[in-house]
Amino acid sequence: GENVEQHPSTLSVQEGDSAVIKCTYSDSASNYFPWYKQELGKRPQLIIDIRSNVGEKKDQRIAVTLNKTAKHFSLHITETQPEDSAVYFCAASVRRGNKLVFGAGTILRVKS
Amino acid sequence: NAGVTQTPKFRVLKTGQSMTLLCAQDMNHEYMSWYRQDPGMGLRLIHYSVGAGITDQGEVPNGYNVSRSTTEDFPLRLLSAAPSQTSVYFCASSRPTRDRRGSEAFFGQGTRLTVV
Repeated sequence: GENVEQHPSTLSVQEGDSAVIKCTYSDSASNYFPWYKQELGKRPQLIIDIRSNVGEKKDQRIAVTLNKTAKHFSLHITETQPEDSAVYFCAASVRRGNKLVFGAGTILRVKS
Repeated sequence: NAGVTQTPKFRVLKTGQSMTLLCAQDMNHEYMSWYRQDPGMGLRLIHYSVGAGITDQGEVPNGYNVSRSTTEDFPLRLLSAAPSQTSVYFCASSRPTRDRRGSEAFFGQGTRLTVV
């Protein structure tokens, strides 16, 4: 089955700096890659996603890139703000988002 | 529109006890799933359902049962609780994204379960 690895497990950045979180997946049939953000004590929420026929997608300060050949994808957050502090999960799916397999998560701390 | 509602929010069980975690959604989503969240291990899929009357196993199904008699409800049953089942449990229902090329999962608020 699918296996998703996520790095780093924790990431501390200064406010205003960029943050990058990387994920690799094992199943070449995976075609949908969402990212979820979970604030402390809250439920995970979708922040951005990308399909396998797209190399990059942006939404304001966040962007996701996908290298299908290498089977890895990354989340980029620019101009980080304290409210970006949270746990971020990457995920992969072969069923257009159903049956998601999640990475272990990255704790992002933005220091002001 | 309440979204995905899980009950209870907290529970302490003794080893060997059984219990049912309830999950209800009012968004008419076909796909529902249960995850457990443990430190350093992310969200692991326990069971999922693609519609009423249809369920299937995820990554970590042992010790758990599910049923889907209606579109709205997807309860998770612990048959004989073990300390290894201490975790935070999330129920989710999914709908296609706007471009219909993926699915957005909507999570409940979670159930924190401790088995002693």
